[in-house]
Amino acid sequence: EAAVTQSPRNKVTVTGGNVTLSCRQTNSHNYMYWYRQDTGHGLRLIHYSYGAGNLQIGDVPDGYKATRTTQEDFFLLLELASPSQTSLYFCASSDRTGISNERLFFGHGTKLSVL
Amino acid sequence: GEQVEQRPPHLSVREGDSAVITCTYTDPNSYYFFWYKQEPGASLQLLMKVFSSTEINEGQGFTVLLNKKDKRLSLNLTAAHPGDSAAYFCAVRYNAGAKLTFGGGTRLTVRP
Repeated sequence: EAAVTQSPRNKVTVTGGNVTLSCRQTNSHNYMYWYRQDTGHGLRLIHYSYGAGNLQIGDVPDGYKATRTTQEDFFLLLELASPSQTSLYFCASSDRTGISNERLFFGHGTKLSVL
Repeated sequence: GEQVEQRPPHLSVREGDSAVITCTYTDPNSYYFFWYKQEPGASLQLLMKVFSSTEINEGQGFTVLLNKKDKRLSLNLTAAHPGDSAAYFCAVRYNAGAKLTFGGGTRLTVRP
């Protein structure tokens, strides 16, 4: 089973604060994703990447930056956090080499509160 | 872009009853469909994936139906038990390179 590890599990910051969420996957998946989960909205894609050094914009990218430093590591950066970014954040990875083996493997989530 | 509407947002049934969750999507070229389950306090796990070439898929205790004409995907739990209590999310995309679009989720409660 693919492993996706997120850190921290919980984070509290103040408006205007600088936050970095980390994600590491250990199955050499090519794709990695950052989602936010909010009641009534399901999961919304913030950014994603298909390899080290690559970054693709998702559906709700405003206020977020991301960086994929290695095949394993994907970071989400909030440089000026706002209360609207209070949410549950999920990282996921997937192997998109063929539809038969395609599925998202999710981390356990990071609960971020911006006061 | 693709939009996915999932209904109902909350569903409560008694143990042994059936439960139906439905997603409607907008892009007629959508080809890949997924259902994910999220148990309380846990992450999402893949429940089933359905491709456009197949319209009915059955798992353990549930059936997924795809109606391409109406652009509707449904998850039918045939005899719900308390262990099925969770949030369920559908997800849709239209080709191998596109992003997944998730529905808003359904929180299912199965009462003993």
